[in-house]
Amino acid sequence: AQSVTQLGSHVSVSEGALVLLRCNYSSSVPPYLFWYVQYPNQGLQLLLKYTSAATLVKGINGFEAEFKKSETSFHLTKPSAHMSDAAEYFCAVTDFTGNQFYFGTGTSLTVIP
Amino acid sequence: KAGVTQTPRYLIKTRGQQVTLSCSPISGHRSVSWYQQTPGQGLQFLFEYFSETQRNKGNFPGRFSGRQFSNSRSEMNVSTLELGDSALYLCASSFFPSGSEETQYFGPGTRLLVL
Repeated sequence: AQSVTQLGSHVSVSEGALVLLRCNYSSSVPPYLFWYVQYPNQGLQLLLKYTSAATLVKGINGFEAEFKKSETSFHLTKPSAHMSDAAEYFCAVTDFTGNQFYFGTGTSLTVIP
Repeated sequence: KAGVTQTPRYLIKTRGQQVTLSCSPISGHRSVSWYQQTPGQGLQFLFEYFSETQRNKGNFPGRFSGRQFSNSRSEMNVSTLELGDSALYLCASSFFPSGSEETQYFGPGTRLLVL
């Protein structure tokens, strides 16, 4: 079964600074990968997804993620943090067997003015 | 196009009671998945229904059950509630089953508090 590891349950960045949220998955077989964002008292919203078309994936709100098979990583980045980016971010992965959707434990992003 | 809707949004129950949560997927979507979100365990997969059939089930006791109707609406039932069942229950829908590149769209969740 797949597993997803998000390093850093809490990340703080200054407004305007680079955002880097880390995600590693367990399998060497390229899965489908997703990043979701959850604002307080809301459901999850898709930021971006990797479906093997391109290793660098651009999402909404200026976020992007790069799939690195050799590192089994799918880290999320944004060049300049905005106050509105403060939220919980979840990395998720599926696999080609069509089984469950696996979520990481989430990273809470704080943006400091 | 309306999003995924979940009812009720908030619920308070006592131990031993049972509860039924409802999820209406996006129009045309045939897959509905349920997740439990708690501060300690994070997001955990409960089960998925596709075209009225349970496709996958997570590692939860039999007290947790669900079903899907012909209009793709889904219900989740928890019997003999325990304090640990207090959580945010999220429903997600997609046209194709999960496990593909298909995007899952999440509802706002039902927050259940068990006293």
